[in-house]
Amino acid sequence: NAGVTQTPKFRILKIGQSMTLQCTQDMNHNYMYWYRQDPGMGLKLIYYSVGAGITDKGEVPNGYNVSRSTTEDFPLRLELAAPSQTSVYFCASSYSTGGLNEQFFGPGTRLTVL
Amino acid sequence: SQELEQSPQSLIVQEGKNLTINCTSSKTLYGLYWYKQKYGEGLIFLMMLQKGGEEKSHEKITAKLDEKKQQSSLHITASQPSHAGIYLCGADGYSSGTYKYIFGTGTRLKVLA
Repeated sequence: NAGVTQTPKFRILKIGQSMTLQCTQDMNHNYMYWYRQDPGMGLKLIYYSVGAGITDKGEVPNGYNVSRSTTEDFPLRLELAAPSQTSVYFCASSYSTGGLNEQFFGPGTRLTVL
Repeated sequence: SQELEQSPQSLIVQEGKNLTINCTSSKTLYGLYWYKQKYGEGLIFLMMLQKGGEEKSHEKITAKLDEKKQQSSLHITASQPSHAGIYLCGADGYSSGTYKYIFGTGTRLKVLA
């Protein structure tokens, strides 16, 4: 199993550009999450999904969009990139919430918006 | 809303020394998770605690959850350079009926050889 994979690893965007961060998991997990981690800070939840076709906002959803058409994939879309979105983005997945809810993380995407 | 506060924010210890990292919740914890993050990489799950008074160990790392389920500690015995990284606690939480998975701000550990 590859676990959780993310692409790209690094990206530099200009203000106003758009891009999609890809996330795929091969563990048949129902739950998937997108986090951002700013320098020296903890992780903040952007969006999460409890299954294909269902997504919900986390703590910091503004400026982002997600979709979940399959169990495996959970892409994160930035429509109009802003410098405040410079961060490291982590995708994660888990089997369920509550009970044993160990999350498996991808390696992260380092995004810089100039 | 529920918050997780970690202390200390950073820690530098000599190899072989013991250390403790604390995680305090503003509300009762239903599940408390400890993760380790190597610099520039994703998080790796260490342990999960659910019951008040629960204690788990893996190699030289021991995690405890207090009886009131509002504070957890992570103890490393005889630290090694391989223990260096950022340790984060995480928890299932709800705010205004909305599910959240929250993380503490992390503790940066450096172990000097």
